[in-house]
Amino acid sequence: NAGVTQTPKFRVLKTGQSMTLLCAQDMNHEYMYWYRQDPGMGLRLIHYSVGEGTTAKGEVPDGYNVSRLKKQNFLLGLESAAPSQTSVYFCASSYSVTEKLFFGSGTQLSVL
Amino acid sequence: SQKIEQNSEALNIQEGKTATLTCNYTNYSPAYLQWYRQDPGRGPVFLLLIRENEKEKRKERLKVTFDTTLKQSLFHITASQPADSATYLCALPFSGGYNKLIFGAGTRLAVHP
Repeated sequence: NAGVTQTPKFRVLKTGQSMTLLCAQDMNHEYMYWYRQDPGMGLRLIHYSVGEGTTAKGEVPDGYNVSRLKKQNFLLGLESAAPSQTSVYFCASSYSVTEKLFFGSGTQLSVL
Repeated sequence: SQKIEQNSEALNIQEGKTATLTCNYTNYSPAYLQWYRQDPGRGPVFLLLIRENEKEKRKERLKVTFDTTLKQSLFHITASQPADSATYLCALPFSGGYNKLIFGAGTRLAVHP
């Protein structure tokens, strides 16, 4: 049982480049989330989805876009990367509104 | 705005002792609170959920309390072991539902043999 899988695990970008982070879950969860984690700041919610075809903004959505075309996948896009987007990105999923979150192992992104 | 505070200083304790971690929150009345464990280079892993009508919850060596008057949760690990060394995060739902969680920055626990 893979749970939540994130790809890639590491990536280095130059300022202005674009990329997409992929999150896949095999637990048939309705809810999916993208967080970023920075030292001393905890996890901050970027975007989330409450079901296939839906997306919504979280705390820090600027500079990011997301898509949930299939229930099991949640994509996070950076159209024009900036050094401020250097962070560790975590995807998570949950079965229902008050259930625990299952997290992926994270993507370390550096923007130079 | 909603705010969660966890002690940013690492907690160092001796093996076998009880570790107590604190989570304080402001401007908020959450229906529940969750605790997660995070090891270096890994994603957080869920440990316990406690609801506002529960004052205490236990799971093996873990105990969580939730004081809605003080706006505080305490997380206890009894008979601590070096394997308990990790960062512990508390999380509360944003207002508006959908299990959008706001996380504290976490407290790093180091258990020494």
